[in-house]
Formats: sequence, C-alpha cells, structure tokens
Amino acid sequence: DTGVSQDPRHKITKRGQNVTFRCDPISEHNRLYWYRQTLGQGPEFLTYFQNEAQLEKSRLLSDRFSAERPKGSFSTLEIQRTEQGDSAMYLCASSPGQEQYFGPGTRLTVT
Amino acid sequence: DAKTTQPPSMDCAEGRAANLPCNHSTISGNEYVYWYRQIHSQGPQYIIHGLKNNETNEMASLIITEDRKSSTLILPHATLRDTAVYYCIVSTGFTNAGKSTFGDGTTLTVKP
Repeated sequence: DTGVSQDPRHKITKRGQNVTFRCDPISEHNRLYWYRQTLGQGPEFLTYFQNEAQLEKSRLLSDRFSAERPKGSFSTLEIQRTEQGDSAMYLCASSPGQEQYFGPGTRLTVT
Repeated sequence: DAKTTQPPSMDCAEGRAANLPCNHSTISGNEYVYWYRQIHSQGPQYIIHGLKNNETNEMASLIITEDRKSSTLILPHATLRDTAVYYCIVSTGFTNAGKSTFGDGTTLTVKP
C-alpha cells in the first residue's frame, strides 16, 4: 500500500462553482479525517468518519460543505458555491487508531 | 482538548540533537501527547506519541515530564531533511484522535 492519496492535487475554480475532492485512505484504516489548512497556519479539523459513519463535524464545516464515505472506503468532500475564503489546502488523513497518516492534500484556489 | 504552547521557531546545527519543547499545562489524565511534522508543501507526518512514559522510535524520542505539563521531542542527529514545522498536540487519543487543532507549531531549521 502506498499511503493516502488525494485527487486532484490542485484545483482552480471560479467563485460560485462546485468542487469535489477525493481521498483514498490506507486500506483497512477505519478512521478518516478531513482538514483544511491555510497559508502559515496549522491544519484545522473539518470532519471525521469511522467506517461509513460521519461521527463529527467542525463548526468550520458550513452547510456548503458535505462529505461522504460510502462503504467505508474512499471519501469525497464537496464544496458548493465556492467563495474566495475557501481557498486553502484540503488534507485527508486515515488512521487505524492512534496515529494519523496524511495524504499530500488538494490545493484549492478560488478566483 | 488541552491547548499547547510551542516556540515559533528554532535553529539546530546539522548532526546535533534538536530538542523541541511543548507546554501543555492543562493536560488531563486521559490525554496523549502527539507530535507531527510538516515539510513544506507536504501533508503532516506522524512522528511519535505518548501518555506518561518516555517513548522512542526510529524517528525520535519523546520525553514527558512527571507532572505531564510539558514534553520535549528529541531528534538525536538532525539532518537538513528534518527542516519542517513540528506540531505538538494533546488529545484523548483513540476516540478523539485527530480532532484537535494543530496550532502554529515550531519551525525547525537545520543548518549545515
């Protein structure tokens, strides 16, 4: 297994458009996390799945954001009606328990 | 989860030990200390974690004070590739692992 992968690595979109990101975790990791990171800041927790169940969402995850993890495997994060403030790196991590393994991230630029 | 305080930046000479401090004075009994690092433009990388005993792995050592109010991450022989932002996080672990905010971390610069 080569680790957590994310697609796309970069996305440029116009304000108001919808975007969707994909995360493929390390197989057999039942926990999956999404984070957002802006320049010069540490990652901020967005949401967390255990298998297919979304167990917690941060207050940062507005109603324009939705995440899914069908069948407890890959996950998608969708942002509707993007705003310039959504420009950030979106990181995915998977975990078998204590430690997390992060993907390379998807850098979103909203113009 | 408890808050952590780290110095914003540190320098270290290549080949010397890098000692990165972290204060977590409000840590509770069931909270673990985790360390991650993030090399520029990459996702964070797990380094080590511990509850109250000192821990060592192939990457680093974690020293936790007896009162658990602070810890030190030790990179025994720093290399240029260890230049990164190092994050100290406290969390209740298994159930809540990953929900903590990473904070701003310590930027470690290893110099030749």
